[in-house]
Amino acid sequence: AQSVTQLDSHVSVSEGTPVLLRCNYSSSYSPSLFWYVQHPNKGLQLLLKYTSAATLVKGINGFEAEFKKSETSFHLTKPSAHMSDAAEYFCVVNHYNTDKLIFGTGTRLQVFP
Amino acid sequence: NAGVMQNPRHLVRRRGQEARLRCSPMKGHSHVYWYRQLPEEGLKFMVYLQKENIIDESGMPKERFSAEFPKEGPSILRIQQVVRGDSAAYFCASFTFEGLNTEAFFGQGTRLTVV
Repeated sequence: AQSVTQLDSHVSVSEGTPVLLRCNYSSSYSPSLFWYVQHPNKGLQLLLKYTSAATLVKGINGFEAEFKKSETSFHLTKPSAHMSDAAEYFCVVNHYNTDKLIFGTGTRLQVFP
Repeated sequence: NAGVMQNPRHLVRRRGQEARLRCSPMKGHSHVYWYRQLPEEGLKFMVYLQKENIIDESGMPKERFSAEFPKEGPSILRIQQVVRGDSAAYFCASFTFEGLNTEAFFGQGTRLTVV
């Protein structure tokens, strides 16, 4: 069975400091992994995705994530936080045979000036 | 390509009424997911549809909820006899199945409030 665990429900950082949002997955097969961002009262936007190519994936707005099979992790990082990064972030796993996206519970990122 | 369109964006219903949520997928997409997001929670899978077929409805409550994706027109999520606990944001996503490269595009959601 597939599952996703987002280790932090809330993360607070100061503007200009690094961001780390943690995600661990469980999947019996090689998964596809995604990070989505949701701004308040908005829909979901795809930040980046891993689909068995390069293990370091670069996304939009300066975010990147590294797929580490040995650690079953897909942590999201950004070198320098911006106020506009404040949002809810979801780690998502999909094994294509199940045709279902499994969402983590989300991490709310707060950015302080 | 206008992206995934959901309407209405906001819907208010009294207890016992019916709610109909519409989702028009991206052009060329024949697969649709519906997800529900309760306040302060993540997204929970409800149903996966292809045109004229329900592929997986394991996340949908057995009573009062139904979904369809006809050959022509939008996908519809229907909630009969709504209760306060149905208040949530309902998101639709559409995609074309491409194995590991499948990418789902989400609509802006419909926020249902039951009063």
